[in-house]
Amino acid sequence: SQQGEEDPQALSIQEGENATMNCSYKTSINNLQWYRQNSGRGLVHLILIRSNEREKHSGRLRVTLDTSKKSSSLLITASRAADTASYFCATDAYSGAGSYQLTFGKGTKLSVIP
Amino acid sequence: SQTIHQWPATLVQPVGSPLSLECTVEGTSNPNLYWYRQAAGRGLQLLFYSVGIGQISSEVPQNLSASRPQDRQFILSSKKLLLSDSGFYLCAWSVWVSGQETQYFGPGTRLLVL
Repeated sequence: SQQGEEDPQALSIQEGENATMNCSYKTSINNLQWYRQNSGRGLVHLILIRSNEREKHSGRLRVTLDTSKKSSSLLITASRAADTASYFCATDAYSGAGSYQLTFGKGTKLSVIP
Repeated sequence: SQTIHQWPATLVQPVGSPLSLECTVEGTSNPNLYWYRQAAGRGLQLLFYSVGIGQISSEVPQNLSASRPQDRQFILSSKKLLLSDSGFYLCAWSVWVSGQETQYFGPGTRLLVL
């Protein structure tokens, strides 16, 4: 199964409301990242939080990490219609040979209604 | 600044035909390069990664192969496409930021095998 699992699978909110998405993972991580994907387009990196960090902010984004529960949350405050997209969490794993790979969850599809 | 290109943007191919998707990176040297596939409604799956010219690691046994003939060029190929090869293919390169590796994605190629 996937290392990162987002919850909920789909979320629909009104513009101006806050959106919270959660991610759970199974193994120890080095860091956890959140990405956004607009429909039919490539991924955009949003924020990275290290395993020794508990909270991080970037603009309207707030990410928390609880390594004891192996979970993370992404909060988007004061949502806008332009925030409509799929959001993925990704956890890292060292693969040797000087590289590591991100393992992605299935994503949360966020719809912000104007 | 760094830029990643993928082409074509969309591709419709018959079953049994060959495939060649190209990814090039500008503005950086010796990047780690990755190929991912996203099947409809699912998360990303790592297919191949490369830490240097001619160095390819395969994560999932499949009908596809990858090559890296030049430092900033990564090619995904197949000799005979299957229906199950349909999906959204993303190329990514990575960079170290604040001691952590972050991946940046190209615009993707949408492949439909009929």
